[in-house]
Amino acid sequence: AQTVTQSQPEMSVQEAETVTLSCTYDTSESNYYLFWYKQPPSRQMILVIRQEAYKQQNATENRFSVNFQKAAKSFSLKISDSQLGDTAMYFCAFMKHRGNTPLVFGKGTRLSVIA
Amino acid sequence: DTAVSQTPKYLVTQMGNDKSIKCEQNLGHDTMYWYKQDSKKFLKIMFSYNNKELIINETVPNRFSPKSPDKAHLNLHINSLELGDSAVYFCASRRTSGGQDTQYFGPGTRLTVL
Repeated sequence: AQTVTQSQPEMSVQEAETVTLSCTYDTSESNYYLFWYKQPPSRQMILVIRQEAYKQQNATENRFSVNFQKAAKSFSLKISDSQLGDTAMYFCAFMKHRGNTPLVFGKGTRLSVIA
Repeated sequence: DTAVSQTPKYLVTQMGNDKSIKCEQNLGHDTMYWYKQDSKKFLKIMFSYNNKELIINETVPNRFSPKSPDKAHLNLHINSLELGDSAVYFCASRRTSGGQDTQYFGPGTRLTVL
């Protein structure tokens, strides 16, 4: 079974600074997807960024980028130029490439951006 | 237009009651999911349906019965509600044909059992 570990329950960062959220996972699959979802106080689950395991290039979406280390089974999220609106729970998630498989989530990291 | 919608958004009820949560997606996706988010914010899969057929049932009590009348709808009926059922329930959908990988979530339903 796949597991996803987020070792930082809470983090804080000053506005305009950069912060990195950690995620490690365990799987015997060779092809899979990794995601970061954001859940603000509104409770909506918002996709931040996705990575396909067979792609070596790290995904980037505006101020959000990942450091994907497949051998180390690590998938960290870097948020640059942090904004107050980035305050949220952030969930790392894994999904097998094949079939109708669900997401397996980590326990989340609560990020607070401080003015 | 809302891609994945759920009704109701909030549900407060007494122990022992039966309640339903509805989910609809207008994305043309073929797979739908129910996830449960507990009080510690942990999200876990409950059920998955593909083209109206149950694919995944993750050790969920049989008081929970999903129903998919068509590909665009996946409802969740809960019998004899218990205090431990209090949680936020999320519906999600995805197109698995063509290898689309992103799941889109509904707004969630916060269920409170008193």
